[in-house]
Amino acid sequence: GAVVSQHPSWVICKSGTSVKIECRSLDFQATTMFWYRQFPKQSLMLMATSNEGSKATYEQGVEKDKFLINHASLTLSTLTVTSAHPEDSSFYICSAREGREISTDTQYFGPGTRLTVL
Amino acid sequence: AQSVAQPEDQVNVAEGNPLTVKCTYSVSGNPYLFWYVQYPNRGLQFLLKYITGDNLVKGSYGFEAEFNKSQTSFHLKKPSALVSDSALYFCAVRPSLSNSGYALNFGKGTSLLVTP
Repeated sequence: GAVVSQHPSWVICKSGTSVKIECRSLDFQATTMFWYRQFPKQSLMLMATSNEGSKATYEQGVEKDKFLINHASLTLSTLTVTSAHPEDSSFYICSAREGREISTDTQYFGPGTRLTVL
Repeated sequence: AQSVAQPEDQVNVAEGNPLTVKCTYSVSGNPYLFWYVQYPNRGLQFLLKYITGDNLVKGSYGFEAEFNKSQTSFHLKKPSALVSDSALYFCAVRPSLSNSGYALNFGKGTSLLVTP
């Protein structure tokens, strides 16, 4: 299957700093990428949908000014957690959509980024 | 609104025995259904999906799932479990209507433990 990478795989930062997470589709072009957040032993919660060349669509309750998403190219989306606080500590997972038709596309997921805010 | 339910938090099965991980769905229109597996501290790996056609879908690693429209279910199955199948399994749904967006709606996950 297609490969999606995330960098970094883990990061520890001080409260108040900003952290950038990259999501790349390595062997396909992704018109749409998604950012999820996962708490321990819980399901994935969709944060936002990112389309190349346009503004991200955020889910209700997700602060767009805190979680900045940039989808600069068909293979790269970034999530920046601004002024991070301990409650932002979580496992962040991106996915990339391969294919344009809703009947044949598949979402491939990155390995995730573990963020710990001290 | 679209949703999936995974009624079991954990499923335990002995190696070599058949396994079933349950999933039921609720969606407007025809559903697109997916199964993903997650190993500790890893992202999700795609196992299989149902779009249309044959109700029995075969996927990766010997897994299969059966779409049952009357019971609104999409249970994941494997004839003979392996210890290495132990992981967290997620069922997901997405409506087939293109104006509903492309994001997946995940169940809460079922932890599968296969014992030697």
